[in-house]
This record gives sequence, structure tokens and C-alpha cells, in this order.
Amino acid sequence: AQTVTQSQPEMSVQEAETVTLSCTYDTSESDYYLFWYKQPPSRQMILVIRQEAYKQQNATENRFSVNFQKAAKSFSLKISDSQLGDAAMYFCAYRNQGGKLIFGQGTELSVKP
Amino acid sequence: EAGVAQSPRYKIIEKRQSVAFWCNPISGHATLYWYQQILGQGPKLLIQFQNNGVVDDSQLPKDRFSAERLKGVDSTLKIQPAKLEDSAVYLCASSLTGGMSYEQYFGPGTRLTVT
Repeated sequence: AQTVTQSQPEMSVQEAETVTLSCTYDTSESDYYLFWYKQPPSRQMILVIRQEAYKQQNATENRFSVNFQKAAKSFSLKISDSQLGDAAMYFCAYRNQGGKLIFGQGTELSVKP
Repeated sequence: EAGVAQSPRYKIIEKRQSVAFWCNPISGHATLYWYQQILGQGPKLLIQFQNNGVVDDSQLPKDRFSAERLKGVDSTLKIQPAKLEDSAVYLCASSLTGGMSYEQYFGPGTRLTVT
């Protein structure tokens, strides 16, 4: 069975600084997708970034980028130039070949002005 | 394009009562998902529909939870009778189809409190 682990329950960053959120996963599949979702207090799940496992190039979306290490089964999210609006719960998620999304426990990010 | 709609947004019931949640997916999306998100945890898939057929309900507590998707569009999730541990946010999501490359779009969720 696939599992996703986020070892940082809480993280804090100063506005305009950079922060990295960690995620590891376990799977025996060779092809899959990985995602980072943002969940503000409204509870709406917002897709931040996605990575296809067969692509070696790390995904980037504006201030958000990932460090995907397939052999190590690691998928970290880097947020550059942090903004107050980035404060939220962040979930790492694995999508298996059957389409099922498996979420980690989440990391609560706070941004200090 | 309208997003995934859910209602109600909040519901408070007493244990042993029944409750139903409604979800309307994005138009044209064949696959619909219900997730349960307990406070402090990530969402957990309860059931996945492809059109009006069930693809995965392995984590649905079938003794008290039921779900249907009539006509392959709207879906309802029911809990009867509710327990205290059912307090959670219930998220509905939809995607064009169930393949792993298709993005899931989430609704705003229904926050259930069981007292």
C-alpha cells in the first residue's frame, strides 16, 4: 500500500523569505503523480503544483518549486519570497495508477510579517 | 466554469441521528470522489464513482455510510446513525475521468459536528 509522510506538523517563515516543506512517500509503482495542495481556513483544497514521476525535471509554478528525488522517494516543496497569503495547511499527495489520491498528514505554515 | 458545489456547508447533529450531504460536480466530469477529513489529518477517500458506478468504496464504513450517484451527475452521501467520531469535513471532488493524470477539483466541503 502506498503511504505519504509529512514529518513537519508546523513550519514558520518570515515574510519574503524561503521555506521548504518535506514529504516522503512509499510505493512500488514506477509511474505515478505527486501533488502539493494548499488548504486555507476555508477548507477549500487548492492545487499548488504537480509532478509526474517519469519526468526528471522538477516542476515550477511561479514562487513554488519542488525537489523531486525519485530514488529517495522524496518530494519537497520550496516557497520563495513568502507572502502572508501563503499561510495555510499544505498537504502532499500521491496519486496511484488507479487514480486514487493518498494524502499526508499536512504541514501548517505560518508567515510572520 | 462553475466549480464543485456542496451543501450544506455546516451541519450540527446529535449522535444516532442521520444526515445527508449533496455534491454537484463540474459539468462533464465523469468521476466523483467523497473524502472524509478529520481535524488535523489529511483527507481520506471514502468512495469513488465513475459515472454512476462505484469504483472504490474500500474505506467506506458500510454499516452506517451510504452514497449514490444517480444518473451519473449529482451525488449524496448519507450517515445513519451518526457517531461522535464522524465529526469531520466531508469533501467532494470531481475529475474528467479517473486516470492519474487528470486533476481532481475540490468543493468547499461540509463541516459536520456530531454532539
